[in-house]
Amino acid sequence: KNEVEQSPQNLTAQEGEFITINCSYSVGISALHWLQQHPGGGIVSLFMLSSGKKKHGRLIATINIQEKHSSLHITASHPRDSAVYICAVSPPDGLTFGKGTHLIIQP
Amino acid sequence: DSGVTQTPKHLITATGQRVTLRCSPRSGDLSVYWYQQSLDQGLQFLIQYYNGEERAKGNILERFSAQQFPDLHSELNLSSLELGDSALYFCASSRGGMSDHTEAFFGQGTRLTVV
Repeated sequence: KNEVEQSPQNLTAQEGEFITINCSYSVGISALHWLQQHPGGGIVSLFMLSSGKKKHGRLIATINIQEKHSSLHITASHPRDSAVYICAVSPPDGLTFGKGTHLIIQP
Repeated sequence: DSGVTQTPKHLITATGQRVTLRCSPRSGDLSVYWYQQSLDQGLQFLIQYYNGEERAKGNILERFSAQQFPDLHSELNLSSLELGDSALYFCASSRGGMSDHTEAFFGQGTRLTVV
């Protein structure tokens, strides 16, 4: 069974700061997903990665397959980025989830 | 809007009852996944259907069952409900199976409260 660890569990930062959330997993995977969950509960898929790096607006996701590690970066953070960010891996069907990182960006 | 529709959004029912949650996937998506999110367990994979057939099973209780119909919508049936079944139930869909490296899109979830 794949163990997915995220850090930090909670993060409070000031608007404009550069944010990094980390994810490690224990077993080889097909793909890694970064998800965002807002207080209303809905889940949005941000990235799906199997190698390298992806960028979407102010969000950047990287993955190191050899080290079984991924990072999600947010540049120029904004209060609307406040949400729970969840890392999930697909090994190979369904998803195994991390416990999430609760991010608060203060104005 | 992800294109995945879940109904109902909220459901309150009594212990021992049976409920059915419904999911309509994005147009063209063949896979439907069901997930449970509870406060103590976090998000957990329950079951996957691909083009009408069960493809993978996760931590799904025997009291729960699911199916995917010819029009690709799916239903999750929860029976003999217990207080601990109170959770958010998410459906997600993708073009292929997860091993095909296709992105999953999530519905807004059904919040089930068992009283």
